[in-house]
Amino acid sequence: NAGVTQTPKFQVLKTGQSMTLQCAQDMNHEYMSWYRQDPGMGLRLIHYSVGAGITDQGEVPNGYNVSRSTTEDFPLRLLSAAPSQTSVYFCASRYEGGSGTEAFFGQGTRLTVV
Amino acid sequence: SQQGEEDPQALSIQEGENATMNCSYKTSINNLQWYRQNSGRGLVHLILIRSNEREKHSGRLRVTLDTSKKSSSLLITASRAADTASYFCATLPTGGGNKLTFGTGTQLKVEL
Repeated sequence: NAGVTQTPKFQVLKTGQSMTLQCAQDMNHEYMSWYRQDPGMGLRLIHYSVGAGITDQGEVPNGYNVSRSTTEDFPLRLLSAAPSQTSVYFCASRYEGGSGTEAFFGQGTRLTVV
Repeated sequence: SQQGEEDPQALSIQEGENATMNCSYKTSINNLQWYRQNSGRGLVHLILIRSNEREKHSGRLRVTLDTSKKSSSLLITASRAADTASYFCATLPTGGGNKLTFGTGTQLKVEL
């Protein structure tokens, strides 16, 4: 049971380039989310999904797109990378329980935009 | 803006001592969760307390929740060097959904 898998682990982009961060989970969780983590800022929610075909914006969605075509996958797309998007990105998934459930996290993608 | 704020930002204690971290949040919640993050790794869930609960235990962890003050505390008893990590509270707003929002974290260092 792999849990939540993120690829790549590290990435360096030039300003203006685009890329997709991959996230896959094998636990059949309905809910998936993307966070970014910056020093002193904790984790901030970028986008989230409550099921295949349904996505919504979190706290800091600008410059990012997501889609959820399957239950397993939730890719995050950077449309035109900017140095402000240098961060560590985490994908999380959780089961849709009536009164809330724990989130499972991937190991993160460390992105540097130069 | 962040839903939760942890206090203190950093905490350094000796092995065997207890560590207490506090979390304050802003809106009505369904539940509050605590996570641990070792350096350079993903977050790991520690404990979840629902809005109708006041205290919960799990091993050496004790969590309290005061919804009237919109605050929670995490107590780690008899700390070990392996407890060195960052600790985050996260809140799920009333109504559920998937907007789990994290605080800024407490960096705990347990020294031998």
